Amino acid sequence: AQSVSQHNHHVILSEAASLELGCNYSYGGTVNLFWYVQYPGQHLQLLLKYFSGDPLVKGIKGFEAEFIKSKFSFNLRKPSVQWSDTAEYFCAVRGIQGAQKLVFGQGTRLTINP
Amino acid sequence: DAGVIQSPRHEVTEMGQEVTLRCKPISGHDYLFWYRQTMMRGLELLIYFNNNVPIDDSGMPEDRFSAKMPNASFSTLKIQPSEPRDSAVYFCASSFGAGGANVLTFGAGSRLTVL
Repeated sequence: AQSVSQHNHHVILSEAASLELGCNYSYGGTVNLFWYVQYPGQHLQLLLKYFSGDPLVKGIKGFEAEFIKSKFSFNLRKPSVQWSDTAEYFCAVRGIQGAQKLVFGQGTRLTINP
Repeated sequence: DAGVIQSPRHEVTEMGQEVTLRCKPISGHDYLFWYRQTMMRGLELLIYFNNNVPIDDSGMPEDRFSAKMPNASFSTLKIQPSEPRDSAVYFCASSFGAGGANVLTFGAGSRLTVL
């Protein structure tokens, strides 16, 4: 069964700081990986996704993530955060064979102080 | 496209009452998912459908929960009887096509409070 682990429950940063949110998954086959963002009071929106090819993927709003297969990791990064990045971030994995379940990590709450 | 549409957006009810949450997926999408979000447990997959057929309901917490998809454009999640611990935000999502490479589009969620 798929599982996803996000290392940080709550991260607090100042504006312009660099961000890295950890995500590790476990799954016995090929996966597709996602980061979703949930702004306060809103629904989940796709931030970026990895299907295949270049393991460094770029998403919206300056976010990027790197898939490291040997480490089963898909960490999210942003070189300089803004106050508007305050949100909850969810890493998710979906196996491409068998059950098509999208399994989410517990989420990381990011607070950016102005 | 109007996206995934959920109703009601907010529901407050008393313990023991029946609750029905509704979802209209994006037209043409053949997968529909119900998730529950709580502070304690995060996002949990409750059940998902493919072409209106339930594929995996292993996440449904107990017999009080049931979900149906009578046609490609409508699904319901019912809780009967409701309990305070059912208080959560319930999200519906849909996607198109087989394989993991398809992105889920989420609805705005239904916030349920059971008193």
